[in-house]
Amino acid sequence: DAGVIQSPRHEVTEMGQEVTLRCKPISGHNSLFWYRQTMMRGLELLIYFNNNVPIDDSGMPEDRFSAKMPNASFSTLKIQPSEPRDSAVYFCASSLTGRSGNTIYFGEGSWLTVV
Amino acid sequence: AQSVTQLGSHVSVSEGALVLLRCNYSSSVPPYLFWYVQYPNQGLQLLLKYTSAATLVKGINGFEAEFKKSETSFHLTKPSAHMSDAAEYFCAVSDSGSARQLTFGSGTQLTVLP
Repeated sequence: DAGVIQSPRHEVTEMGQEVTLRCKPISGHNSLFWYRQTMMRGLELLIYFNNNVPIDDSGMPEDRFSAKMPNASFSTLKIQPSEPRDSAVYFCASSLTGRSGNTIYFGEGSWLTVV
Repeated sequence: AQSVTQLGSHVSVSEGALVLLRCNYSSSVPPYLFWYVQYPNQGLQLLLKYTSAATLVKGINGFEAEFKKSETSFHLTKPSAHMSDAAEYFCAVSDSGSARQLTFGSGTQLTVLP
């Protein structure tokens, strides 16, 4: 079975450019998460969708960041304009919520470098 | 509010030695607890999870963890370390309410010495 699929795996972009990260969750999962990982701050939850609806975006750092989930099989995280401090690994993850405990499955990550 | 504390950001063990990675949690409700492993340049992979069934949970790659409510701990162990166990390990907690997010610890980097 395919896991969570993220693209691009690596991106290097210049400051001020728009960056769009893409995610395809595991088929049938109804929750989707975007995380950011840096050496300084560790793993941070940016936003959480349930049934394609954003439930908690309190982790989104600022208005330059936006996320959408137009359907159950696709989500994007956009940074516009990008800044060097946005350099990080961005993980998408998905799960099927239920009472048996929520196993969250992670993608391989998108490694972003803003120069 | 839930939280997780991982004691020791770096742990080194010799190959064949016991691995012990410590995790203490705080939760106002019975928690779900997880251990994830992250190999270099990869995403996080679930090692094991506790969901209020057996207190001793066995996971992949020979790892296991014991839920101790009295100590609010969920330490990860493996009897004999292998070189391939070198990775970063994350403990995480989730409450059993409607919010389904995980709260991750800061991670423990495990180094296995030959």
